Amino acid sequence: GQNIDQPTEMTATEGAIVQINCTYQTSGFNGLFWYQQHAGEAPTFLSYNVLDGLEEKGRFSSFLSRSKGYSYLLLKELQMKDSASYLCAVKNAGNMLTFGGGTRLMVKP
Amino acid sequence: ETGVTQSPTHLIKTRGQQVTLRCSSQSGHNTVSWYQQALGQGPQFIFQYYREEENGRGNFPPRFSGLQFPNYSSELNVNALELDDSALYLCASSLGLGTDAYEQYFGPGTRLTVT
Repeated sequence: GQNIDQPTEMTATEGAIVQINCTYQTSGFNGLFWYQQHAGEAPTFLSYNVLDGLEEKGRFSSFLSRSKGYSYLLLKELQMKDSASYLCAVKNAGNMLTFGGGTRLMVKP
Repeated sequence: ETGVTQSPTHLIKTRGQQVTLRCSSQSGHNTVSWYQQALGQGPQFIFQYYREEENGRGNFPPRFSGLQFPNYSSELNVNALELDDSALYLCASSLGLGTDAYEQYFGPGTRLTVT
């Protein structure tokens, strides 16, 4: 089976940096995804890691360690519009995603 | 290039009724996955269709069933609705099943309320 854990809520200040952690235990691994979801909207793709290391994309970076079953999403220069839920998801060999419960991030002025 | 669309946007049904939700995949995508997202939780995988065949199923009872059509659009059917079926139902399309086809594009979802 699959088990994915991430913190339920986090709060950070506008302009700061925040790191959202995700740990996973899976029976098959074919990549890890981060999605952003604003309240009442569909998830939107942020990043994809299949090999160990850091992937950087503007203000967002994602890190993966397959041996530790660990990933994090790093958000820099936080903006108010970054207030959203951040979903960690693991893909198995069949292109099926298992999601964590999501981390609700609140950015305060 | 059109994105993923879903209909209806919102739906209210009574316990015991049946419901059909529809999804049109992004142009060129042949794989559709359906997810159930309860309030405050992450999406839960229901099943996936690839080229009109079910390719995998999550931990949902048989009263959740689906179809994929030759144009790769898809339906999710839920029979004998229960109160706990109230959720946002998301469909996501992708191109194929290989490691290169990694990104799933989500539709806006259908909000189902069962009373």
